Amino acid sequence: DIQMTQSPSSLSASVGDRVSIPCRASQSISTHLNWYQQKPGNAPKLLIYAASSLQSGVPARFSGSGSGTDFTLTISSLQPEDFATYYCQQTYTTPRTFGPGTKVDI
Amino acid sequence: QVLLQESGPGLVKPSQTLSLSCTVSGASITSGSYYWSWIRQPAGKGLEWVGRIYTGGDTDYNPSLKSRVTISVETAKNHFSLSLASVTAADTAVYYCAREAPYLRWHATDFWGQGTLVTVSS
Repeated sequence: DIQMTQSPSSLSASVGDRVSIPCRASQSISTHLNWYQQKPGNAPKLLIYAASSLQSGVPARFSGSGSGTDFTLTISSLQPEDFATYYCQQTYTTPRTFGPGTKVDI
Repeated sequence: QVLLQESGPGLVKPSQTLSLSCTVSGASITSGSYYWSWIRQPAGKGLEWVGRIYTGGDTDYNPSLKSRVTISVETAKNHFSLSLASVTAADTAVYYCAREAPYLRWHATDFWGQGTLVTVSS
């Protein structure tokens, strides 16, 4: 299985901050990397697919970058509704695997 | 808009079989190039992919669960199901059904159910 790592497991930020969340794959996955946002009690929501493509309806302050093994989700100006946990997922092969998540809080 | 809704018992005894259904509306589970998936999340923990079934009927399972899991489709009701045998407390989790869709040569899980909590306890 491809292992996905996310560090740190949590980070503190303020409204208006630029936030970068890293994700690393245990082997090259090209750009087969998705990002999801999850708020407590809710299902995950797709933000970014194919490493850098913005899902329809997702605010443009979210962006993704990277290829191979190293990826980053960036929030250009953190908004109150962005405090949540963010997961990366590889879809290069099965089983699909997720990172352990990075929680963004105040 | 595609909607998915999980249903099934919230409590299952150890060693028994967990059975959940996912009713899909807004799309036919037998049309298109979609995978219909199950993903679970223990309380306070991360997401674990359980497996998926293709519109054509092919299945993929997580090797960590493969010997215990079956995903099937009931086309007449436009729903798909999860069966997990010989459950233990480690199978206690929120179970999500979801759709994995093609985006050109990539894939992403774009629609999710709200999730249903299944507790394994005697």
